[in-house]
Amino acid sequence: SQQGEEDPQALSIQEGENATMNCSYKTSINNLQWYRQNSGRGLVHLILIRSNEREKHSGRLRVTLDTSKKSSSLLITASRAADTASYFCALPRGGSQGNLIFGKGTKLSVKP
Amino acid sequence: EAQVTQNPRYLITVTGKKLTVTCSQNMNHEYMSWYRQDPGLGLRQIYYSMNVEVTDKGDVPEGYKVSRKEKRNFPLILESPSPNQTSLYFCASSSVSEAFFGQGTRLTVV
Repeated sequence: SQQGEEDPQALSIQEGENATMNCSYKTSINNLQWYRQNSGRGLVHLILIRSNEREKHSGRLRVTLDTSKKSSSLLITASRAADTASYFCALPRGGSQGNLIFGKGTKLSVKP
Repeated sequence: EAQVTQNPRYLITVTGKKLTVTCSQNMNHEYMSWYRQDPGLGLRQIYYSMNVEVTDKGDVPEGYKVSRKEKRNFPLILESPSPNQTSLYFCASSSVSEAFFGQGTRLTVV
């Protein structure tokens, strides 16, 4: 079954800069989700984007989805030290919308 | 408050000693899953369940068992733990649009 692949694996930026993470996948999807994980803690849902949506916003988060390129990006604007975390994209496994497969994540470090 | 509760949070055990990690959700979700997280390997699904008495293998099911006798509970059972099962384990409960994760169980098998 397919897994999203995040890129880059790690990203280090200064506070106030924007952070962009990408997720590529191989087969058609109905939706794609992004999650955040603070070190060693449970993942927290950030946003879901459906296949008929191109862009979605939530606070300082902007998610895009390009189904023709089979890729999604997560942009965090004006990053803060508290945004330091790992970020994962998640895809439905097969046709089962409630059953998710996760990528390996992008580890973001925001330096004050 | 929407919650997934895993217990214990930390566990050190010896090889071969059966253990159970409990998971409970209060959202009436049909989908529940178990994942393990290891450095460099991301989250790998162990088992999932689509409803009561319906379970299926994920990507790394060897050495694990699950049961779903009630909708709210989805325990993970290690019948004979081995050191390669040392890992950080997460239970998740999902709607069709969002997954909620427990706080994790850090298991060490010596």
